[in-house]
Amino acid sequence: DADVTQTPRNRITKTGKRIMLECSQTKGHDRMYWYRQDPGLGLRLIYYSFDVKDINKGEISDGYSVSRQAQAKFSLSLESAIPNQTALYFCATSDSGGKSYNEQFFGPGTRLTVL
Amino acid sequence: RKEVEQDPGPFNVPEGATVAFNCTYSNSASQSFFWYRQDCRKEPKLLMSVYSSGNEDGRFTAQLNRASQYISLLIRDSKLSDSATYLCVLGVTGGGNKLTFGTGTQLKVEL
Repeated sequence: DADVTQTPRNRITKTGKRIMLECSQTKGHDRMYWYRQDPGLGLRLIYYSFDVKDINKGEISDGYSVSRQAQAKFSLSLESAIPNQTALYFCATSDSGGKSYNEQFFGPGTRLTVL
Repeated sequence: RKEVEQDPGPFNVPEGATVAFNCTYSNSASQSFFWYRQDCRKEPKLLMSVYSSGNEDGRFTAQLNRASQYISLLIRDSKLSDSATYLCVLGVTGGGNKLTFGTGTQLKVEL
């Protein structure tokens, strides 16, 4: 079984709809991240969480919100989706106390299309 | 100027060739450096960390030049399975585990 899972894997929605992307991990890591990837722009950080009570904005948080429901779960919401939020979204985890604490482990991604 | 700059490629090379990628960065506070590999439509995965002294892992060699602020990745004896996009990634001291990703260099290894 995958250590970092994301649901749904693909989603097509319409402008104005509320969308939630979910991420779960079984790695026992304390830190979790949400990124989006667009062609030619690379991965950009949306939000990150260093533990359940810690939520921080990344470089492109406008239009997004997150919830860290438990150490293993980190969800990303688009309150009112717009077409330029069409992208590939990745969740990632890392272990602050691990030997390779800088390494981030990614989920398989969610491909979101906003029409 | 982008924090991390990479030639997007694609680099088309024959199997068995040696290929090198460079990456330049602008934030002199960057303290940790990595190469990640991303296959088409898949998640990025850590290929190797990059140390000041340089490091080698099988056919892969990574180098860091802090003075010139660039990182390199050398792949020897290229395999078809090396075809992927290679992402240059930086971490900044005090940034926790936050990483900054380059846009990637695409490699296509051909028969």
